Amino acid sequence: SAVISQKPSRDICQRGTSLTIQCQVDSQVTMMFWYRQQPGQSLTLIATANQGSEATYESGFVIDKFPISRPNLTFSTLTVSNMSPEDSSIYLCSVERGGGRSNEQFFGPGTRLTVL
Amino acid sequence: GQQLNQSPQSMFIQEGEDVSMNCTSSSIFNTWLWYKQEPGEGPVLLIALYKAGELTSNGRLTAQFGITRKDSFLNISASIPSDVGIYFCAGQLKGGGADGLTFGKGTHLIIQP
Repeated sequence: SAVISQKPSRDICQRGTSLTIQCQVDSQVTMMFWYRQQPGQSLTLIATANQGSEATYESGFVIDKFPISRPNLTFSTLTVSNMSPEDSSIYLCSVERGGGRSNEQFFGPGTRLTVL
Repeated sequence: GQQLNQSPQSMFIQEGEDVSMNCTSSSIFNTWLWYKQEPGEGPVLLIALYKAGELTSNGRLTAQFGITRKDSFLNISASIPSDVGIYFCAGQLKGGGADGLTFGKGTHLIIQP
């Protein structure tokens, strides 16, 4: 598996502000992803964080709202911009370990965001 | 986009009973994964399946990758209190930039003493 940490673990933010969430992995990984889990719901992929290039966003998510950085193979950030109460969710990063046949993805503990 | 239908939505069982849950998809995947999530934590990987027809066990857990590549099931035998949580299936169609996971809506497992 992989040891993944996220900061902050939780935050309460005011409408209109932005929050940057950090994801740190204990070893180099090629693939990193960001997911959103709205209250009581399943996980939805926001984007794939690519090292050395722009993130690849899923339908319904845009770079202006969720800018992502991936400066190296162990670290990524997700910013939730111009927040509204609808952005209240758990945000999770995940990494893919192994190569070839192994497509296992491991998740961080999540960042619980509440927007007032 | 792809949709995963996971059932049942919730299960209320007695300790010691066996549990079965499944996921179906409108399109094929080449990897199926099963996760468990407990309150305040991220999902934890239980079992990964890579080949149609594959049957894999992890302790009391058994999962299978359907022959059509559009479905998977997870069985838990002789449930114990620590099995309580939300179980998610997830599918992946590797390659072509589509490497993220598509998740089912989850099965809430509640064990009555």
